[in-house]
Amino acid sequence: QQQVKQSPQSLIVQKGGISIINCAYENTAFDYFPWYQQFPGKGPALLIAIRPDVSEKKEGRFTISFNKSAKQFSLHIMDSQPGDSATYFCAASFMDSNYQLIWGAGTKLIIKP
Amino acid sequence: KAGVTQTPRYLIKTRGQQVTLSCSPISGHRSVSWYQQTPGQGLQFLFEYFSETQRNKGNFPGRFSGRQFSNSRSEMNVSTLELGDSALYLCASSFWTGAAGELFFGEGSRLTVL
Repeated sequence: QQQVKQSPQSLIVQKGGISIINCAYENTAFDYFPWYQQFPGKGPALLIAIRPDVSEKKEGRFTISFNKSAKQFSLHIMDSQPGDSATYFCAASFMDSNYQLIWGAGTKLIIKP
Repeated sequence: KAGVTQTPRYLIKTRGQQVTLSCSPISGHRSVSWYQQTPGQGLQFLFEYFSETQRNKGNFPGRFSGRQFSNSRSEMNVSTLELGDSALYLCASSFWTGAAGELFFGEGSRLTVL
């Protein structure tokens, strides 16, 4: 009940297109869903996060869509740019100091010029 | 504000040796977490320290250990190195403990075990 399944493993999108990465979780009690972005040679950095009381959160070209009934959440990158090429990790947990994030396996995104 | 600093950035060891990695968190952060990153396994949580106390531990053997000092700097140690320990070891600091806070990662220490 503690897994987060992320897909696809890798993704190639043309510049200007929409990149979509999906995650599914098992524990219905999770209440915190962040996305981290990692560039080559760097550590991951928080990109955007959502709580289950909203179905969508948008920050610039990045949007998280959340479907509580399906236990799924996804990251949409609109107007994808070569600078978005990175590995993206979804995660889930309880917003509680006694728990750690449960991470997805990561998606390597390549945006072709 | 200085970011999370990890040293050394790269190191090569042989099987059976031990290694110590160091992490200096962002000033004011008392939580330090360690992760192992490999191409096939993604980010695997090792342990978290908060105010010098281990708060959480992942599913790694006892060869992996850590500690935190009073200035919040942390070290992790891997003894009796195995080939499978080759990985990028990431340190992350946070103001809060657990999943409650944003994690700020360092650039990692890349360990190669020959």
